[in-house]
Amino acid sequence: QSALTQPASVSGSPGQSITISCTGTSSDVGGYNSVSWYQQHPGRAPKLMIYDVSNRPSGVSNRFSGSKSGNTASLTISGLQAEDEADYYCSSYTSNSPVVFGGGTKLTVL
Amino acid sequence: QVQLQESGPGLVKPSQTLSLTCTVSGGSIISGGYYWSWIRQHPGKGLEWIGYIYYSGTTYYNPSLTSRLTISVDTSKNQFSLNLNSVTAADTAVYHCARDRTSGYGAFDYWGRGILVTVSS
Repeated sequence: QSALTQPASVSGSPGQSITISCTGTSSDVGGYNSVSWYQQHPGRAPKLMIYDVSNRPSGVSNRFSGSKSGNTASLTISGLQAEDEADYYCSSYTSNSPVVFGGGTKLTVL
Repeated sequence: QVQLQESGPGLVKPSQTLSLTCTVSGGSIISGGYYWSWIRQHPGKGLEWIGYIYYSGTTYYNPSLTSRLTISVDTSKNQFSLNLNSVTAADTAVYHCARDRTSGYGAFDYWGRGILVTVSS
């Protein structure tokens, strides 16, 4: 199945807000409220940041928020910090195969 | 605190079978309604969902891998395993096991550190 579409890179300065998009189709992002977001630092396992579009697991900073409109989901990070620099991946449940990931977005904190 | 640990050979020859095991500690694999997944990451690339299994043995596979893939569970050992046959260099990747907190809808809240498997002669 085709991966969800994410921008290859985004950047922002400390304290700013950034948004990462994740575009799919009506068979995945648009059809289900089962979008998740992961943060991955180099050499580490991914960490769940958002699930079910906008829910934060316990322990995840409220600077991270998720939303969805149509076939596009978004992750917003407010009050950007140096430690937020990482790769971010979205995933969605899909009618074609249970789970599909996005291609990933590299966040650079300037 | 749930922990997952992958184990298996780090080097597999082309055309052979890649076999990995994930050992779950800090919680029972049969409780909580969780699905247990394998996810891989090719070097320098993104994540690819491989498949998952429920403790009852129900499985769901990535359609692109289903012809070569078997995922099984051993509840007595609190483990689940992956077998991928007829491997090629394209199967070289870091393989992670993970727990899905949303009963198969793809929210992986606990991950193993991952194991690099290289396919080479």
